[in-house]
Amino acid sequence: GDSVTQMEGPVTLSEEAFLTINCTYTATGYPSLFWYVQYPGEGLQLLLKATKADDKGSNKGFEATYRKETTSFHLEKGSVQVSDSAVYFCALSAVGYSTLTFGKGTMLLVSP
Amino acid sequence: KAGVTQTPRYLIKTRGQQVTLSCSPISGHRSVSWYQQTPGQGLQFLFEYFSETQRNKGNFPGRFSGRQFSNSRSEMNVSTLELGDSALYLCASSLGGTGNYGYTFGSGTRLTVV
Repeated sequence: GDSVTQMEGPVTLSEEAFLTINCTYTATGYPSLFWYVQYPGEGLQLLLKATKADDKGSNKGFEATYRKETTSFHLEKGSVQVSDSAVYFCALSAVGYSTLTFGKGTMLLVSP
Repeated sequence: KAGVTQTPRYLIKTRGQQVTLSCSPISGHRSVSWYQQTPGQGLQFLFEYFSETQRNKGNFPGRFSGRQFSNSRSEMNVSTLELGDSALYLCASSLGGTGNYGYTFGSGTRLTVV
């Protein structure tokens, strides 16, 4: 079945450092790919998405590129802020389906 | 535009009881999905409703059920509660169709079973 694998956290960075959170997936065809973020005590917020190969999703300084050849959708940000501290989830939606399959989540902690 | 509203935010129930959680989607959204979030299992899909019909169902026992009303509001019910049902239950709404739209999630209902 479909699956998503994320790097385990926590990822601990200093403010203004470069962020990469790795995400790889297993699915047939060309699924849609998403990054969601969850702040403490809250639900999930859609951060960015990509629906076809080589698409780049971007939002609030975060970027991720849909790489079909490596089945990856790594999340990057050039300069993190303390306010980016949260749990980040990579997810996919299989072709023709609307349900989401999530990775385990990666906690990001940014210190001043 | 109001977001996805889940009520109540917190619940404490006793083993063996049943519970009903409510979700009001974003106006115009016809698809509502439910997810269970636990530290051990992460986010797991429960079921999805579209235009009052269950369109997909995850791998959960029959104690978990749901429904959707004509105004797209949805409820999920868990009967004969077990300690392992303690979790954050998240509702998400979407315009419908495929997942290309992305889902908007509510803040969740935190259920504690004692």
